[in-house]
Amino acid sequence: SQTIHQWPATLVQPVGSPLSLECTVEGTSNPNLYWYRQAAGRGLQLLFYSVGIGQISSEVPQNLSASRPQDRQFILSSKKLLLSDSGFYLCAWRRTGRNTGELFFGEGSRLTVL
Amino acid sequence: TQLLEQSPQFLSIQEGENLTVYCNSSSVFSSLQWYRQEPGEGPVLLVTVVTGGEVKKLKRLTFQFGDARKDSSLHITAAQPGDTGLYLCAGRRGGQNFVFGPGTRLSVLP
Repeated sequence: SQTIHQWPATLVQPVGSPLSLECTVEGTSNPNLYWYRQAAGRGLQLLFYSVGIGQISSEVPQNLSASRPQDRQFILSSKKLLLSDSGFYLCAWRRTGRNTGELFFGEGSRLTVL
Repeated sequence: TQLLEQSPQFLSIQEGENLTVYCNSSSVFSSLQWYRQEPGEGPVLLVTVVTGGEVKKLKRLTFQFGDARKDSSLHITAAQPGDTGLYLCAGRRGGQNFVFGPGTRLSVLP
């Protein structure tokens, strides 16, 4: 069976510090991978998605970046966090080629920037 | 402005009551999904609808996709406390990624 894990679950960071959130998927190969941010009252905002190793598409310009160094690993990073980066970050995967396929989400990472 | 609007934003009802929540847009979608999210967890898919006018049932939940594929509704019969959560709709236009609405937060009181 397929599983998705992301960590850390909770993070409190000062403004200007770096960020690294990691996500790994097990039990499938060549998945489409996604990073979402969820803010209260605004649903899920797609930040980045990847269809393969080293292939990253950014949906919105911002202070964050993503990388996919391995097939089932997706990393969200920042060099210098802003207060506005606070939120609930969700990693998700979907089977390649499934146009109406289900998104499988990780447990989420709550980031608070002080 | 959001591509998808959901209403109501918040809903608090007593156990056993019926309810309907809505997902609306001015855009046409090739498919639409409903997810439920519990606090501190990721969303979990409930249903995918792809055909205008389509109705799908999942136990006490009934999902309908509008004839014009611009809107959808979720009806819950005899709500239970276990139905409490954030209900998100997500629509896809053509080959693009799914776009999520802001959600309806449902609270079912025992």
